[in-house]
Amino acid sequence: NAGVTQTPKFQVLKTGQSMTLQCAQDMNHEYMSWYRQDPGMGLRLIHYSVGAGITDQGEVPNGYNVSRSTTEDFPLRLLSAAPSQTSVYFCASSYFRLIQGVDSPLHFGNGTRLTVT
Amino acid sequence: GQQVMQIPQYQHVQEGEDFTTYCNSSTTLSNIQWYKQRPGGHPVFLIQLVKSGEVKKQKRLTFQFGEAKKNSSLHITATQTTDVGTYFCAGRGSARQLTFGSGTQLTVLP
Repeated sequence: NAGVTQTPKFQVLKTGQSMTLQCAQDMNHEYMSWYRQDPGMGLRLIHYSVGAGITDQGEVPNGYNVSRSTTEDFPLRLLSAAPSQTSVYFCASSYFRLIQGVDSPLHFGNGTRLTVT
Repeated sequence: GQQVMQIPQYQHVQEGEDFTTYCNSSTTLSNIQWYKQRPGGHPVFLIQLVKSGEVKKQKRLTFQFGEAKKNSSLHITATQTTDVGTYFCAGRGSARQLTFGSGTQLTVLP
């Protein structure tokens, strides 16, 4: 199993450009999510999905779009890149909550380091 | 909204010394998870605590969940250079999603 695969690993954009960060998982996980990681701020949830065709906003959704047409793929789109979106982006997946109070652990991809100039 | 505070932000220890990171939530949690991120890597799940007052051990790592289920700690005994990285707690409360703490970056000096 490859687990969670993210592409690209690195990307440099100019302000105003758009791009899509790819995320694919081969573990048949229902739940997929995107986080951004900035120094001193931990991991902040951008968008998430609990299954194909279902997406919802996280803590910091502005400037990002997602879709979930298949169980395996969960791309993140930057509509018009801004310097404030310079960050490391992680995709994570898991089985949906198994039993009350007990979660399935998140499996993270290797990340995409994005710089917007 | 739910907030999870983690301290300290940075910790430098001499190899062989102990290390502790603390996590506090603004709301009661149904569970708390701990992740480790090596430098340049991605977060990797370590453990999940669910019960009030729960204590779990993994070799030199001891994890505790507070009686009120609002705080947690990770203690490493006799640190080694392989312990270097950032340790995150993540709590699930009334919100549908996990909230991550800001992390504690551990440096171990040989």
